[in-house]
Amino acid sequence: DTGVSQNPRHKITKRGQNVTFRCDPISEHNRLYWYRQTLGQGPEFLTYFQNEAQLEKSRLLSDRFSAERPKGSFSTLEIQRTEQGDSAMYLCASSVDSAEQYFGPGTRLTVT
Amino acid sequence: RKEVEQDPGPFNVPEGATVAFNCTYSNSASQSFFWYRQDCRKEPKLLMSVYSSGNEDGRFTAQLNRASQYISLLIRDSKLSDSATYLCVVNIRYGGSQGNLIFGKGTKLSVKP
Repeated sequence: DTGVSQNPRHKITKRGQNVTFRCDPISEHNRLYWYRQTLGQGPEFLTYFQNEAQLEKSRLLSDRFSAERPKGSFSTLEIQRTEQGDSAMYLCASSVDSAEQYFGPGTRLTVT
Repeated sequence: RKEVEQDPGPFNVPEGATVAFNCTYSNSASQSFFWYRQDCRKEPKLLMSVYSSGNEDGRFTAQLNRASQYISLLIRDSKLSDSATYLCVVNIRYGGSQGNLIFGKGTKLSVKP
């Protein structure tokens, strides 16, 4: 399968714990995006990378959130000191420049 | 006011019906427009881009009215497999921003036999 992959698919954690998600984009795609989606809402942009550079961050991305794409390939999204309000589906997408974005299956986070 | 607004539905229609979804956007700097489809507990997938002249892809027709800041999607001869949530999406580029996708909440469609 050469699409966008995300791991884990599901994560249940206790409030206050740190979690890390991984996204592997389509191999020739230079841009990688993170979105968050809660029930009944459309996806909301969090941040994006062009190659290894993080070029934009949403106001939604508090200082408890950090994303990296160290070699311009896969990316990680870490949430520190998780809160119940962080429960959501975290979607990753990739694209070639500003062309069509292809989404991964998402990581569903539940904070108890 | 939300940047992208859609009727949340649900739209419950019989097979073979024609159904239309509407969407309005608030930022006149919006430059690109799309309809995405999202099945329950799945990722969004691009259904079609929307061009100023209007465009058609099989049973699907998309229209854009920049003056009214209005986008529509028409589905003809609906199939059971069309049941999904349809997301209206705009891309706004400003300053040095490359423009990120702004999604509406989505309109849920349920096609019944």
